[in-house]
Amino acid sequence: GNSVTQMEGPVTLSEEAFLTINCTYTATGYPSLFWYVQYPGEGLQLLLKATKADDKGSNKGFEATYRKETTSFHLEKGSVQVSDSAVYFCALRRLYGGSQGNLIFGKGTKLSVKP
Amino acid sequence: DSGVTQTPKHLITATGQRVTLRCSPRSGDLSVYWYQQSLDQGLQFLIHYYNGEERAKGNILERFSAQQFPDLHSELNLSSLELGDSALYFCASSVGWKDEQYFGPGTRLTVT
Repeated sequence: GNSVTQMEGPVTLSEEAFLTINCTYTATGYPSLFWYVQYPGEGLQLLLKATKADDKGSNKGFEATYRKETTSFHLEKGSVQVSDSAVYFCALRRLYGGSQGNLIFGKGTKLSVKP
Repeated sequence: DSGVTQTPKHLITATGQRVTLRCSPRSGDLSVYWYQQSLDQGLQFLIHYYNGEERAKGNILERFSAQQFPDLHSELNLSSLELGDSALYFCASSVGWKDEQYFGPGTRLTVT
């Protein structure tokens, strides 16, 4: 079946450190891949997405590249800020083969950034 | 603010009871998805409605049901509640089922 595996947290970093959160997926066909962010007490916000192999999604200094050969979509940021503290979810969505567009999420990775 | 509203924000109820969670999608969005976020199961898709019709079901228990009304708002009904139903319930909306989903702030259900 379709699934997403992301690194367990929590991840604690100092401000301006480099961030990587690993995400790998299993899916039939060609899914779209997403990173969502959930700030404390809020709903999920789309951070970035990629819809085909080798696409790079980017937003607010975060980047992730759709790697079909390694079935991965790792999230990176060169210099994190305290305001980046949140829970990050990797997700996939299949648009064909019986799917109706629902998202399949990883378990989430909590990031804490210390000043 | 995503434009998706959910009420109530918090709900505390007892085992065996029935509750209704409400979602109003963004203006113009025809698709509504319901997701459950719990500590042990993570974020799971429950059900999807498009323009009033059920389009897909995920890991939704038989005790749970949903509907989407002509004005496109949706309600998720949870009955015979158990302690394990305590979770955050999110709805998300999109224009069509291939479009970006926007999430509401969630309803936190606590079953005691």
